[in-house]
Amino acid sequence: DTGVSQDPRHKITKRGQNVTFRCDPISEHNRLYWYRQTLGQGPEFLTYFQNEAQLEKSRLLSDRFSAERPKGSFSTLEIQRTEQGDSAMYLCASSPRRGYGYTFGSGTRLTVV
Amino acid sequence: GIQVEQSPPDLILQEGANSTLRCNFSDSVNNLQWFHQNPWGQLINLFYIPSGTKQNGRLSATTVATERYSLLYISSSQTTDSGVYFCAVEEYGGATNKLIFGTGTLLAVQP
Repeated sequence: DTGVSQDPRHKITKRGQNVTFRCDPISEHNRLYWYRQTLGQGPEFLTYFQNEAQLEKSRLLSDRFSAERPKGSFSTLEIQRTEQGDSAMYLCASSPRRGYGYTFGSGTRLTVV
Repeated sequence: GIQVEQSPPDLILQEGANSTLRCNFSDSVNNLQWFHQNPWGQLINLFYIPSGTKQNGRLSATTVATERYSLLYISSSQTTDSGVYFCAVEEYGGATNKLIFGTGTLLAVQP
């Protein structure tokens, strides 16, 4: 069990560019979550996968955002045409099933300049 | 949607002191978790505690679901306890195990 891995740890991008983040959950966890956290706030839910199915998306996830989890393993979160307001920490978490706690990754800090 | 309020917002302790952090939530919940976010941003799960009491070393937590609150106790605090403590809940009847986070308690433990 190597925990939840996220890559990259930091990303600086120019406004208007596309970025993609990767999350590798704990291998036996079939539930995967993406959250976004801005300074001074708690994490906010973005989207949820159970295996490869994306079962819920927040209204925070505009059409510039897309997430995938092919084959129910790793997941990617892509942001197209980044805006300065997208600057935040993007967190991934996984859990094995209902009734268990989350394990979070270290996050990807995005800065849009 | 469900509201999650944490108190106090900020807390400064001397090393060795005890503290109690509170989490109030506005509706019934399936799931309640406490997390510690260290100064480097890593969120660590402390407790999964939808009801009852649990203890883990110097930390313990109690959730009274019928009264819609949870408490996190830190005893003999250490400088490594510094960071932000979050309470997060899943609304009762929710299908996805999605957690709603409170705004956190910022704890600073001074040597």
